Amino acid sequence: KAGVTQTPRYLIKTRGQQVTLSCSPISGHRSVSWYQQTPGQGLQFLFEYFSETQRNKGNFPGRFSGRQFSNSRSEMNVSTLELGDSALYLCASSPDGNSPLHFGNGTRLTVT
Amino acid sequence: AQRVTQPEKLLSVFKGAPVELKCNYSYSGSPELFWYVQYSRQRLQLLLRHISRESIKGFTADLNKGETSFHLKKPFAQEEDSAMYYCALRAGNNRKLIWGLGTSLAVNP
Repeated sequence: KAGVTQTPRYLIKTRGQQVTLSCSPISGHRSVSWYQQTPGQGLQFLFEYFSETQRNKGNFPGRFSGRQFSNSRSEMNVSTLELGDSALYLCASSPDGNSPLHFGNGTRLTVT
Repeated sequence: AQRVTQPEKLLSVFKGAPVELKCNYSYSGSPELFWYVQYSRQRLQLLLRHISRESIKGFTADLNKGETSFHLKKPFAQEEDSAMYYCALRAGNNRKLIWGLGTSLAVNP
């Protein structure tokens, strides 16, 4: 089986712009979670989608949003980018959200 | 609030020495605990979970509810164990994971 695929691998944006990140889960996995990883805060949960519905949400501002499509692929959008949004964004999938997570390689976002 | 603490940012041992990576958590209910590992240039992956009570790559971890700890142990470290190790907590029915900041393990020859 192919692993979790995240695109693009790297992004450079300027403050105020918006960005969309994509995640394709492992085939058959219906749960997709997003995490932000920074050196100071570590891994922080953004949200989880299951069958196109957001099931769980972390403590991030409304500028961070996501969605899931019928094929379980997920996108994450960040609007009005701030310098502090610079981070590695990780996507993880699992069959049901309760099983252990399978991670992608991440998208490295740099905001200048 | 739920929290996971990994007190050591960096742990350096010699090959063949025992290794223990510490993980403490705060949660009043019944937690589900995990260790994830990230080897150089690889993606984050599950190493073990406490409910499995198994040994993976020679590593074991026991949940100690009294001390609220889930330390990762291996009796004889190998160079290929060098990696970043993360402890994570799933609390109750909430499927989100709460992560420690990670411990970088360096096993020297």
